[in-house]
Amino acid sequence: SQQGEEDPQALSIQEGENATMNCSYKTSINNLQWYRQNSGRGLVHLILIRSNEREKHSGRLRVTLDTSKKSSSLLITASRAADTASYFCATEGGSNYKLTFGKGTLLTVNP
Amino acid sequence: GAGVSQSPSNKVTEKGKDVELRCDPISGHTALYWYRQSLGQGLEFLIYFQGNSAPDKSGLPSDRFSAERTGGSVSTLTIQRTQQEDSAVYLCASSAPGLAGSVTQYFGPGTRLTVL
Repeated sequence: SQQGEEDPQALSIQEGENATMNCSYKTSINNLQWYRQNSGRGLVHLILIRSNEREKHSGRLRVTLDTSKKSSSLLITASRAADTASYFCATEGGSNYKLTFGKGTLLTVNP
Repeated sequence: GAGVSQSPSNKVTEKGKDVELRCDPISGHTALYWYRQSLGQGLEFLIYFQGNSAPDKSGLPSDRFSAERTGGSVSTLTIQRTQQEDSAVYLCASSAPGLAGSVTQYFGPGTRLTVL
């Protein structure tokens, strides 16, 4: 079953603009992770934010987590055409590390 | 170093046949996971192996699905009597030991299974 729900389902922007994607989830979590997927194949891990963290940065990526609202956002600054991909949030809860994924946001960055 | 590898990258089979999908995790990673990605269901957890512990099979959709992990390394996902609804991309991931809440899973490129 899907826990995370990404919003929007699709986003189209121009190169250089910022892209913001949101994720909501339903149950308590240990952490929330964001992944990127190109062409429907392997997932690339972008960033992990633990439940006791509120914000995390990695290069052009900024992730926030609001556990009271059960939501997270991924901000990609100064987007590039190469950022075009599907982005998924995934939550880890319990003790066995399995990830529950959202349905993803398809980001298109136009050159 | 080498990442997670999966084979074959594509598999086309006829309904009713059995298929085996292989995953080679990153060396030294003790945990191994299988997920399935299909148009209708999105990304779903299938099964989790951790060291010598009993696997978590809670995500397997039916008893036609089984998985093994030999020697704590390579894993094989077997689907018996394949059905058209089994068509999906099967993704394998592995992770190194770490503190709970801080473990990163590294994914392979996936096997695209098409059941005709």
